[in-house]
Amino acid sequence: NAGVTQTPKFQVLKTGQSMTLQCAQDMNHNSMYWYRQDPGMGLRLIYYSASEGTTDKGEVPNGYNVSRLNKREFSLRLESAAPSQTSVYFCASSEEGTVGYTFGSGTRLTVV
Amino acid sequence: RKEVEQDPGPFNVPEGATVAFNCTYSNSASQSFFWYRQDCRKEPKLLMSVYSSGNEDGRFTAQLNRASQYISLLIRDSKLSDSATYLCVVTPNSGYALNFGKGTSLLVTP
Repeated sequence: NAGVTQTPKFQVLKTGQSMTLQCAQDMNHNSMYWYRQDPGMGLRLIYYSASEGTTDKGEVPNGYNVSRLNKREFSLRLESAAPSQTSVYFCASSEEGTVGYTFGSGTRLTVV
Repeated sequence: RKEVEQDPGPFNVPEGATVAFNCTYSNSASQSFFWYRQDCRKEPKLLMSVYSSGNEDGRFTAQLNRASQYISLLIRDSKLSDSATYLCVVTPNSGYALNFGKGTSLLVTP
């Protein structure tokens, strides 16, 4: 019953450092997503992957890159972290875009 | 008009009360609607889908009004454990992924 697994759960970065957030799902879902959630802003889509081998930008892609490594894994990379990227990051997966999503437990990232 | 709008609340209600949330959406072509629940510092979890005919799951009832472009969530006999943020979710105007509202905060008090 793992569902969607995100690592790490917490991270503190210094401005300019890079890191990769990992996400894996074991539900054989085709689509995967990365969201960020900030107070008062709700969930905002960063990138998504409709199916293995494809990725597309969401609402707030600047400063991020993604890789759909295989059907199970979808990683999010911050090349040069900025304080504005301090947020809670959620990975999600679904069978396809318009059905209910399953979320991971989130990564709390602080950039100082 | 924002794609999905919700009253942020908070809604403070006593245990046992009935409370209703509304959510309006801008895409008249939307086909999929959901309510998600998010506990403090946790991930969103699917509460229920919203069907055109309305649907009920225990104490929770969801309704869809396509003409006025809103969906509603009714919670009867509120429990302390219902305290959470409730997110309205609809198919987006464009793009692939679902659109999440900012959420309505509910606090059920003893």
